[in-house]
Amino acid sequence: DAGVTQSPTHLIKTRGQQVTLRCSPKSGHDTVSWYQQALGQGPQFIFQYYEEEERQRGNFPDRFSGHQFPNYSSELNVNALLLGDSALYLCASSIDRGFNYGYTFGSGTRLTVV
Amino acid sequence: GNSVTQMEGPVTLSEEAFLTINCTYTATGYPSLFWYVQYPGEGLQLLLKATKADDKGSNKGFEATYRKETTSFHLEKGSVQVSDSAVYFCALSQSSARQLTFGSGTQLTVLP
Repeated sequence: DAGVTQSPTHLIKTRGQQVTLRCSPKSGHDTVSWYQQALGQGPQFIFQYYEEEERQRGNFPDRFSGHQFPNYSSELNVNALLLGDSALYLCASSIDRGFNYGYTFGSGTRLTVV
Repeated sequence: GNSVTQMEGPVTLSEEAFLTINCTYTATGYPSLFWYVQYPGEGLQLLLKATKADDKGSNKGFEATYRKETTSFHLEKGSVQVSDSAVYFCALSQSSARQLTFGSGTQLTVLP
């Protein structure tokens, strides 16, 4: 059973560019959350998607946007990249059955902005 | 708002030593508490969890007890192995928030 799959694994972009990261959730999961993990820090919640809508959002600017498709996969888009956007971006999937459900994380996409 | 404070690292131990990584939290109500582990170059893996006060989560020899009176969820292991070397994250989740709030992580290195 495949877990959470993220692509690409690594990415280098130039300041000001736009980037799209992709996530396929674990089989049977319907909810996708995105986290940003800066070097040496804990992951920070960006937003969560359920039923193709953004359900909750963390403290991130509008440059960060996302999408969820009917097959539950998701994309994270970041516009006007800044050097500070360099981080590991983690996708986590879960089942919307109440807050005690478990999250399954992908291995992440390492984004470097130069 | 919610927050998680973890013992600062790095922590270096010899194989078979006893491990404690402290974690305290600030939250309203009754959050669920988690420990996640991150091996080099990988994502996060759930290590253990506890969903109500006095619950003990355990997995692979690791244990943590949900202490509401001290708002703590300290991670312990009686005898660490070299393979336990990783970064450990304490986290909480509340029904109203639907998100995980993480601590800053504790790097553990176990020497043979």
